[in-house]
Amino acid sequence: GDSVTQMEGPVTLSEEAFLTINCTYTATGYPSLFWYVQYPGEGLQLLLKATKADDKGSNKGFEATYRKETTSFHLEKGSVQVSDSAVYFCALSDYNQGGKLIFGQGTELSVKP
Amino acid sequence: GAVVSQHPSWVICKSGTSVKIECRSLDFQATTMFWYRQFPKQSLMLMATSNEGSKATYEQGVEKDKFLINHASLTLSTLTVTSAHPEDSSFYICSGLSSGSNYEQYFGPGTRLTVT
Repeated sequence: GDSVTQMEGPVTLSEEAFLTINCTYTATGYPSLFWYVQYPGEGLQLLLKATKADDKGSNKGFEATYRKETTSFHLEKGSVQVSDSAVYFCALSDYNQGGKLIFGQGTELSVKP
Repeated sequence: GAVVSQHPSWVICKSGTSVKIECRSLDFQATTMFWYRQFPKQSLMLMATSNEGSKATYEQGVEKDKFLINHASLTLSTLTVTSAHPEDSSFYICSGLSSGSNYEQYFGPGTRLTVT
């Protein structure tokens, strides 16, 4: 079945450092890809998404490009802030499966001042 | 963006009792709602898919008689944990699927259930 694999955390960075969180997927169809963020004590929020190959999703300085050839959707940010500390989830959704989201295991990011 | 609320945000109950969690889409109609379970430091595990007016579809390994789901309207779904046990303690999250916006899911803030 479809699956999502993320790099393990926790990831600890200093403020203004460059961030990459790797995400790869396996899917039989043509899924949409998502990054969700969960701040401490809160629910999931959609960070960005891409619905087809070569699309780039971006939001709040984060970006990720849907790479079909490498089945990847890595999350990047050029300069992280303390407020970016959270857990980040990569996910895919296949329309043919009724919109179900399949999540990666989550990567905890801690940004130190 | 669309808003989903959950009630209660946290609940403590005794072993053997039942607990109901409500999930409401506040500003959109959700023909489909999903229920997830999240253990500490882990990812979300889909428990069931709930379609308005029909029976929920449960994922493999999820006991449908223990986790009762009702989706009586386009804005409300409920999850009842029956005869709760300490191993049912978890963070339960619902989401509503919007038929617009490429079928984007909007998540509730979650309900922390502790069974003593």
